[in-house]
Amino acid sequence: GAGVSQSPSNKVTEKGKDVELRCDPISGHTALYWYRQSLGQGLEFLIYFQGNSAPDKSGLPSDRFSAERTGGSVSTLTIQRTQQEDSAVYLCASSRLRGTNEKLFFGSGTQLSVL
Amino acid sequence: GDSVTQMEGPVTLSEEAFLTINCTYTATGYPSLFWYVQYPGEGLQLLLKATKADDKGSNKGFEATYRKETTSFHLEKGSVQVSDSAVYFCALGRQVTDKLIFGTGTRLQVFP
Repeated sequence: GAGVSQSPSNKVTEKGKDVELRCDPISGHTALYWYRQSLGQGLEFLIYFQGNSAPDKSGLPSDRFSAERTGGSVSTLTIQRTQQEDSAVYLCASSRLRGTNEKLFFGSGTQLSVL
Repeated sequence: GDSVTQMEGPVTLSEEAFLTINCTYTATGYPSLFWYVQYPGEGLQLLLKATKADDKGSNKGFEATYRKETTSFHLEKGSVQVSDSAVYFCALGRQVTDKLIFGTGTRLQVFP
Protein backbone atom coordinates (compact mmCIF):
# COMPACT_ATOMS: atom_id res chain seq x y z
CA GLY A 1 0.00 0.00 0.00
CA ALA A 2 0.92 3.63 -0.28
CA GLY A 3 0.98 4.38 3.42
CA VAL A 4 1.04 2.93 6.90
CA SER A 5 -2.10 0.90 7.51
CA GLN A 6 -3.56 0.22 10.95
CA SER A 7 -6.43 -2.00 11.94
CA PRO A 8 -8.95 -1.87 13.37
CA SER A 9 -9.61 1.85 13.14
CA ASN A 10 -11.84 1.64 16.21
CA LYS A 11 -11.96 -0.93 18.98
CA VAL A 12 -14.36 -1.01 21.91
CA THR A 13 -13.63 -3.58 24.57
CA GLU A 14 -14.57 -4.42 28.11
CA LYS A 15 -12.23 -3.96 31.01
CA GLY A 16 -10.15 -7.07 31.55
CA LYS A 17 -10.25 -8.28 27.94
CA ASP A 18 -7.17 -8.62 25.74
CA VAL A 19 -6.85 -6.63 22.49
CA GLU A 20 -4.55 -6.84 19.49
CA LEU A 21 -3.78 -3.86 17.27
CA ARG A 22 -2.17 -4.34 13.89
CA CYS A 23 0.21 -2.17 11.87
CA ASP A 24 1.31 -2.65 8.26
CA PRO A 25 4.26 -0.33 7.62
CA ILE A 26 5.32 1.03 4.27
CA SER A 27 7.07 -1.68 2.29
CA GLY A 28 10.83 -1.52 2.71
CA HIS A 29 10.76 0.63 5.83
CA THR A 30 13.12 -0.84 8.38
CA ALA A 31 12.06 1.20 11.41
CA LEU A 32 8.64 0.85 13.07
CA TYR A 33 7.29 2.75 16.06
CA TRP A 34 4.25 2.59 18.27
CA TYR A 35 3.04 5.74 20.01
CA ARG A 36 0.00 6.42 22.17
CA GLN A 37 -2.04 9.60 22.02
CA SER A 38 -4.24 10.23 25.05
CA LEU A 39 -6.71 13.07 25.41
CA GLY A 40 -4.86 16.17 26.51
CA GLN A 41 -1.51 14.42 26.33
CA GLY A 42 1.23 14.47 23.77
CA LEU A 43 2.26 11.46 21.81
CA GLU A 44 3.82 8.95 24.17
CA PHE A 45 6.48 6.63 22.82
CA LEU A 46 5.78 2.94 23.44
CA ILE A 47 8.14 0.71 21.46
CA TYR A 48 10.52 0.81 18.51
CA PHE A 49 11.67 -1.90 16.09
CA GLN A 50 14.69 -1.57 13.82
CA GLY A 51 15.54 -4.37 11.44
CA ASN A 52 16.66 -7.48 13.29
CA SER A 53 17.84 -5.60 16.36
CA ALA A 54 16.26 -6.12 19.76
CA PRO A 55 13.30 -3.75 20.09
CA ASP A 56 13.45 -0.70 22.35
CA LYS A 57 10.64 -1.40 24.82
CA SER A 58 11.48 1.42 27.18
CA GLY A 59 8.17 3.21 26.66
CA LEU A 60 5.82 0.34 27.43
CA PRO A 61 3.80 1.46 30.48
CA SER A 62 3.37 -1.96 32.07
CA ASP A 63 3.95 -5.67 31.47
CA ARG A 64 0.39 -5.89 30.15
CA PHE A 65 1.71 -4.30 26.96
CA SER A 66 3.76 -6.24 24.44
CA ALA A 67 4.51 -6.00 20.74
CA GLU A 68 6.10 -8.08 18.06
CA ARG A 69 7.14 -7.55 14.49
CA THR A 70 7.09 -10.59 12.25
CA GLY A 71 9.39 -10.90 9.26
CA GLY A 72 10.51 -7.32 9.63
CA SER A 73 7.14 -6.11 8.39
CA VAL A 74 3.77 -6.34 10.14
CA SER A 75 3.64 -5.47 13.81
CA THR A 76 1.07 -6.35 16.46
CA LEU A 77 0.62 -4.46 19.73
CA THR A 78 -1.10 -6.55 22.39
CA ILE A 79 -2.67 -5.19 25.54
CA GLN A 80 -3.66 -7.81 28.10
CA ARG A 81 -6.30 -7.34 30.78
CA THR A 82 -7.22 -3.90 29.47
CA GLN A 83 -7.92 -1.07 31.90
CA GLN A 84 -9.90 2.11 31.37
CA GLU A 85 -6.71 4.17 31.42
CA ASP A 86 -5.59 2.28 28.31
CA SER A 87 -8.23 4.15 26.31
CA ALA A 88 -6.34 6.22 23.73
CA VAL A 89 -5.42 6.43 20.07
CA TYR A 90 -2.58 4.03 19.27
CA LEU A 91 -0.45 5.26 16.41
CA CYS A 92 2.02 3.31 14.34
CA ALA A 93 4.75 4.95 12.27
CA SER A 94 7.50 3.72 10.01
CA SER A 95 10.59 5.21 8.46
CA ARG A 96 12.96 4.12 5.77
CA LEU A 97 15.99 4.10 8.03
CA ARG A 98 16.69 4.48 11.72
CA GLY A 99 17.29 7.83 13.34
CA THR A 100 15.04 10.68 14.36
CA ASN A 101 16.08 12.79 11.36
CA GLU A 102 14.36 10.28 9.13
CA LYS A 103 10.84 11.29 8.15
CA LEU A 104 8.23 9.30 10.01
CA PHE A 105 5.11 8.16 8.19
CA PHE A 106 2.16 7.68 10.52
CA GLY A 107 -0.94 5.57 10.19
CA SER A 108 -4.38 6.94 11.03
CA GLY A 109 -4.37 5.13 14.34
CA THR A 110 -6.58 2.77 16.28
CA GLN A 111 -9.02 4.41 18.68
CA LEU A 112 -9.24 2.09 21.68
CA SER A 113 -12.09 2.52 24.13
CA VAL A 114 -12.13 0.40 27.28
CA LEU A 115 -15.50 0.35 28.99
CA GLY B 1 15.10 14.66 30.75
CA ASP B 2 14.16 15.99 27.36
CA SER B 3 10.76 17.62 27.02
CA VAL B 4 8.70 19.79 24.71
CA THR B 5 6.15 22.38 25.74
CA GLN B 6 3.75 23.98 23.33
CA MET B 7 0.92 26.44 23.74
CA GLU B 8 -2.48 25.09 24.51
CA GLY B 9 -5.22 25.41 22.00
CA PRO B 10 -7.45 25.77 20.36
CA VAL B 11 -6.10 28.66 18.39
CA THR B 12 -8.93 30.26 16.46
CA LEU B 13 -8.17 32.61 13.56
CA SER B 14 -9.85 34.17 10.60
CA GLU B 15 -8.58 33.37 7.15
CA GLU B 16 -5.48 35.38 6.14
CA ALA B 17 -4.54 36.10 9.76
CA PHE B 18 -0.98 35.68 11.02
CA LEU B 19 -0.27 32.50 12.95
CA THR B 20 2.19 31.78 15.73
CA ILE B 21 2.21 28.55 17.71
CA ASN B 22 4.80 28.62 20.46
CA CYS B 23 7.08 25.69 21.20
CA THR B 24 9.90 25.53 23.70
CA TYR B 25 12.08 22.61 24.59
CA THR B 26 14.30 21.34 27.38
CA ALA B 27 17.28 19.30 26.30
CA THR B 28 21.01 19.10 26.64
CA GLY B 29 23.18 19.36 23.60
CA TYR B 30 21.81 19.88 20.12
CA PRO B 31 18.63 18.00 19.34
CA SER B 32 16.78 18.17 16.05
CA LEU B 33 13.41 19.89 16.11
CA PHE B 34 10.29 19.09 14.14
CA TRP B 35 6.74 20.18 13.49
CA TYR B 36 4.26 17.47 12.59
CA VAL B 37 0.68 18.17 11.48
CA GLN B 38 -2.43 16.03 11.78
CA TYR B 39 -5.24 17.00 9.42
CA PRO B 40 -8.76 15.77 10.28
CA GLY B 41 -9.08 12.07 9.56
CA GLU B 42 -5.45 11.69 8.51
CA GLY B 43 -2.24 10.45 10.09
CA LEU B 44 0.47 12.75 11.36
CA GLN B 45 2.83 13.99 8.73
CA LEU B 46 6.07 15.89 8.89
CA LEU B 47 5.59 19.58 8.18
CA LEU B 48 9.13 20.88 8.64
CA LYS B 49 12.31 20.33 10.58
CA ALA B 50 15.57 21.97 11.63
CA THR B 51 18.63 20.02 12.68
CA LYS B 52 20.91 22.71 14.09
CA ALA B 53 20.82 26.09 15.75
CA ASP B 54 19.70 29.03 13.57
CA ASP B 55 18.36 26.69 10.88
CA LYS B 56 14.98 27.64 9.48
CA GLY B 57 12.60 24.91 8.43
CA SER B 58 9.89 25.83 5.94
CA ASN B 59 7.10 24.14 4.04
CA LYS B 60 3.67 25.12 2.67
CA GLY B 61 4.15 28.72 3.81
CA PHE B 62 4.97 27.67 7.38
CA GLU B 63 8.32 28.53 8.96
CA ALA B 64 10.11 27.80 12.22
CA THR B 65 13.58 28.86 13.32
CA TYR B 66 15.72 26.82 15.72
CA ARG B 67 16.65 29.30 18.48
CA LYS B 68 19.14 27.80 20.88
CA GLU B 69 19.40 30.93 23.01
CA THR B 70 15.69 30.82 23.81
CA THR B 71 15.28 27.03 23.38
CA SER B 72 12.37 27.69 21.05
CA PHE B 73 11.02 26.52 17.70
CA HIS B 74 7.89 28.61 17.17
CA LEU B 75 5.73 27.86 14.13
CA GLU B 76 4.62 30.82 12.01
CA LYS B 77 2.60 31.47 8.90
CA GLY B 78 1.89 34.85 7.43
CA SER B 79 -1.61 34.15 6.09
CA VAL B 80 -3.54 31.08 7.19
CA GLN B 81 -6.17 29.33 5.14
CA VAL B 82 -9.18 27.26 6.18
CA SER B 83 -7.31 24.21 4.89
CA ASP B 84 -4.63 24.78 7.56
CA SER B 85 -7.10 23.74 10.25
CA ALA B 86 -5.40 20.81 11.97
CA VAL B 87 -3.52 19.77 15.11
CA TYR B 88 0.14 20.78 15.14
CA PHE B 89 2.75 18.89 17.17
CA CYS B 90 6.20 20.14 18.06
CA ALA B 91 8.78 17.39 18.57
CA LEU B 92 12.41 16.88 19.53
CA GLY B 93 14.77 14.13 18.49
CA ARG B 94 18.35 13.10 18.99
CA GLN B 95 20.77 11.34 16.72
CA VAL B 96 21.78 8.91 19.45
CA THR B 97 18.26 7.68 20.10
CA ASP B 98 15.45 6.80 17.78
CA LYS B 99 12.51 8.22 19.69
CA LEU B 100 10.81 11.51 19.06
CA ILE B 101 9.51 13.42 22.07
CA PHE B 102 6.29 15.20 21.21
CA GLY B 103 4.44 18.11 22.74
CA THR B 104 0.75 17.89 23.58
CA GLY B 105 -0.39 19.34 20.26
CA THR B 106 -2.14 22.60 19.42
CA ARG B 107 -5.42 22.61 17.54
CA LEU B 108 -5.73 25.37 14.94
CA GLN B 109 -9.16 26.35 13.68
CA VAL B 110 -9.35 28.78 10.77
CA PHE B 111 -12.70 30.30 9.82
CA PRO B 112 -13.56 31.97 6.51
